[in-house]
Amino acid sequence: NAGVMQNPRHLVRRRGQEARLRCSPMKGHSHVYWYRQLPEEGLKFMVYLQKENIIDESGMPKERFSAEFPKEGPSILRIQQVVRGDSAAYFCASSLIGGRNNEQFFGPGTRLTVL
Amino acid sequence: QQQVKQSPQSLIVQKGGISIINCAYENTAFDYFPWYQQFPGKGPALLIAIRPDVSEKKEGRFTISFNKSAKQFSLHIMDSQPGDSATYFCAASGLTGGGNKLTFGTGTQLKVEL
Repeated sequence: NAGVMQNPRHLVRRRGQEARLRCSPMKGHSHVYWYRQLPEEGLKFMVYLQKENIIDESGMPKERFSAEFPKEGPSILRIQQVVRGDSAAYFCASSLIGGRNNEQFFGPGTRLTVL
Repeated sequence: QQQVKQSPQSLIVQKGGISIINCAYENTAFDYFPWYQQFPGKGPALLIAIRPDVSEKKEGRFTISFNKSAKQFSLHIMDSQPGDSATYFCAASGLTGGGNKLTFGTGTQLKVEL
């Protein structure tokens, strides 16, 4: 029973390039959350998606960042024109159902380094 | 302001001792309080969680104590072991914004020494 999968695990980009982070939720889970963890800090919520819908993107920066969760395939977090401040660990979590208090299972994260 | 404040930032405990990590929150809409354990290079893993209708929850060596009036909750690790050395995050969620997005504390690095 595979857990949440994220790839790549490590990603190096130069300033101005695009970064694409992928998340495959646990089998049967249709709710996905993205969080960002800066060094020595806690995780910060970015966006919550269900299949084909963005439910809450209140934590997403207004520019350069976008997320999708298509009907088929993994959820994608896309960062355009990356800057050094985007360097962080990006974690995806999935849950079986949405709504309150439902357990979120986290993936191993993608560590993005912007040179 | 949806904040969760966590302390201490780091903690060193002798093997067999009790590790105590504290969190405080401000938003009274929060009604779910999980604790996550994170090892270096790994994603957070749910350790134990509590809802405000109970004041304490115990699972093995891990206990959450919850004080609704003070808006505080804490994690106690009994008989701490070197394998418990990790970073611990408290978190909270509620009905705001839909779904159950988690608001995390800043983390506590626990080291259990022999």
